[in-house]
Amino acid sequence: GAGVSQSPSNKVTEKGKDVELRCDPISGHTALYWYRQSLGQGLEFLIYFQGNSAPDKSGLPSDRFSAERTGGSVSTLTIQRTQQEDSAVYLCASSGAGGDTQYFGPGTRLTVL
Amino acid sequence: QKEVEQNSGPLSVPEGAIASLNCTYSDRGSQSFFWYRQYSGKSPELIMFIYSNGDKEDGRFTAQLNKASQYVSLLIRDSQPSDSATYLCAVNSGGGGGFKTIFGAGTRLFVKA
Repeated sequence: GAGVSQSPSNKVTEKGKDVELRCDPISGHTALYWYRQSLGQGLEFLIYFQGNSAPDKSGLPSDRFSAERTGGSVSTLTIQRTQQEDSAVYLCASSGAGGDTQYFGPGTRLTVL
Repeated sequence: QKEVEQNSGPLSVPEGAIASLNCTYSDRGSQSFFWYRQYSGKSPELIMFIYSNGDKEDGRFTAQLNKASQYVSLLIRDSQPSDSATYLCAVNSGGGGGFKTIFGAGTRLFVKA
């Protein structure tokens, strides 16, 4: 079946604008993760959704960042009033259940000018 | 603060040699351990996972886990130039309704032909 998909693949925006990043997980996967990866750096955990449980938002760097997951499937990561330091690749991953192997999408490269 | 530590490298080995990648973690409650490979400009992909103390072998790859020492390693035998990538260690601390994954910063491996 299809893997994890993300859109857009690239996003260039101006400082202060809002952006929305989308993730379509593998069908049937109950767990969904968002990470951020700056150039040459490791993965920074942002948020984790597991089924209908309250998401673990402990990795969100500021209140400008939010995410939702509708119907237990598609997820949207929203960054309000973008700043230049938000520039990074945003990766989404899903797994069959929490703690299982994660399958990553191709990422969205965000550039804030 | 739960941490996963890796030597950033680069680790350079000649073709055909054994590459040894190491990872330590701080949370004694960690339950599952993963090694992901990330090629430049690509998303991480799973190499191996290990849950129990000891060795786990899959082809040219062997994962080793020592929970008492809070140490997990990945050995790559007969290293090939195509193994050149960044290797990410990931640790899940499950239970309590959550499975937050902590990734190490990764070790860059170069296999010289």
